[in-house]
Amino acid sequence: GAGVSQSPRYKVAKRGQDVALRCDPISGHVSLFWYQQALGQGPEFLTYFQNEAQLDKSGLPSDRFFAERPEGSVSTLKIQRTQQEDSAVYLCASSSREGGAGYGYTFGSGTRLTVV
Amino acid sequence: KQEVTQIPAALSVPEGENLVLNCSFTDSAIYNLQWFRQDPGKGLTSLLLIQSSQREQTSGRLNASLDKSSGRSTLYIAASQPGDSATYLCAVRDRNNAGNMLTFGGGTRLMVKP
Repeated sequence: GAGVSQSPRYKVAKRGQDVALRCDPISGHVSLFWYQQALGQGPEFLTYFQNEAQLDKSGLPSDRFFAERPEGSVSTLKIQRTQQEDSAVYLCASSSREGGAGYGYTFGSGTRLTVV
Repeated sequence: KQEVTQIPAALSVPEGENLVLNCSFTDSAIYNLQWFRQDPGKGLTSLLLIQSSQREQTSGRLNASLDKSSGRSTLYIAASQPGDSATYLCAVRDRNNAGNMLTFGGGTRLMVKP
């Protein structure tokens, strides 16, 4: 596609519910990143994929967060047993280069998750 | 651990003013620094990328400088326009982390009044 597509755009979840957020990167992009952006703050790194391999998951805040990219294209970020502090915008970015940073990312518009 | 700070957090100026946004980082061992723009409800758009060996980059009315040794970068916007209203984020990629992520500042929310 022409850009990075994320769905849903908005998600309201009841505390304790599981959610799945989807990212469709630009076709052929090798690198894919997930970031979490709390209201009024800058994005914070969650995890990084190179093709289907998850090379860095150091930013995932707890074991309730899980990400996958099984075929090296679409990625899903899953959050189990959501809590109020999980409320944030989740941004996905992709890059045609390995590593991405320094060669230009394309960011999606994000999924705004609200846990009530 | 790298920390990135942006000052001011918010800025309101009349149209036509030249303005400077500031970014500081604690670890000078970086590969590069990027400035992004974020419009409400939208993703991030890359504005300028400065490699660690460079001192500045220019694009149109935007000029970004980098002083790596002092851990500072500035984004200069000339002749500001209402369409420049957005949040501006700076981010660095560290040499000292094995991963490839960016560390972002908290952003500066800019409003340019007509």
